Amino acid sequence: DVKVTQSSRYLVKRTGEKVFLECVQDMDHENMFWYRQDPGLGLRLIYFSYDVKMKEKGDIPEGYSVSREKKERFSLILESASTNQTSMYLCASSLTGGRNEQYFGPGTRLTVT
Amino acid sequence: DAKTTQPPSMDCAEGRAANLPCNHSTISGNEYVYWYRQIHSQGPQYIIHGLKNNETNEMASLIITEDRKSSTLILPHATLRDTAVYYCIVRDNTDKLIFGTGTRLQVFP
Repeated sequence: DVKVTQSSRYLVKRTGEKVFLECVQDMDHENMFWYRQDPGLGLRLIYFSYDVKMKEKGDIPEGYSVSREKKERFSLILESASTNQTSMYLCASSLTGGRNEQYFGPGTRLTVT
Repeated sequence: DAKTTQPPSMDCAEGRAANLPCNHSTISGNEYVYWYRQIHSQGPQYIIHGLKNNETNEMASLIITEDRKSSTLILPHATLRDTAVYYCIVRDNTDKLIFGTGTRLQVFP
């Protein structure tokens, strides 16, 4: 079974802190994705990556950056956390080639105080 | 923006079929219909997808109308564990998924 793991289920950080959210997949997938999920807004794509060291902006990249140094790992970085970044963050991976299903991790619920 | 419209919530009795509708009137010829679900406190899970023919797998059936402007996901014998938010997604040949707000299905005993 495909496994996508995220470093923390729950995280509490202070405004202005630098925050790293880590995601690891074990199926040699080329594509990896970061979403955030907020009540009433569904899942929104922040960033995605088609390959190591490659990244593409999603729909809401402002305030975030990403890093993909190894194929299995995709990190989401909040350079200076703000309270409006309090959210559930979900990582996903998939094979490349279009229309392949995405496999999601369990999510990290981040609270910024 | 999501290209689909779903009812915000539905109820279904355990053991009965759950039929979840989705409208996608602006779907184009190369776009597929995907369904995912999200059980509370978990990440979304793929269910099924189709282009124009009806599809069935071990989880569900997908019925797409002939004009492809709407579809229905069918869970033939709903269980309490099927309580979740169900997302209907129209997807082109890229790797991106655009989620709407989905339908919250409550299966009751």
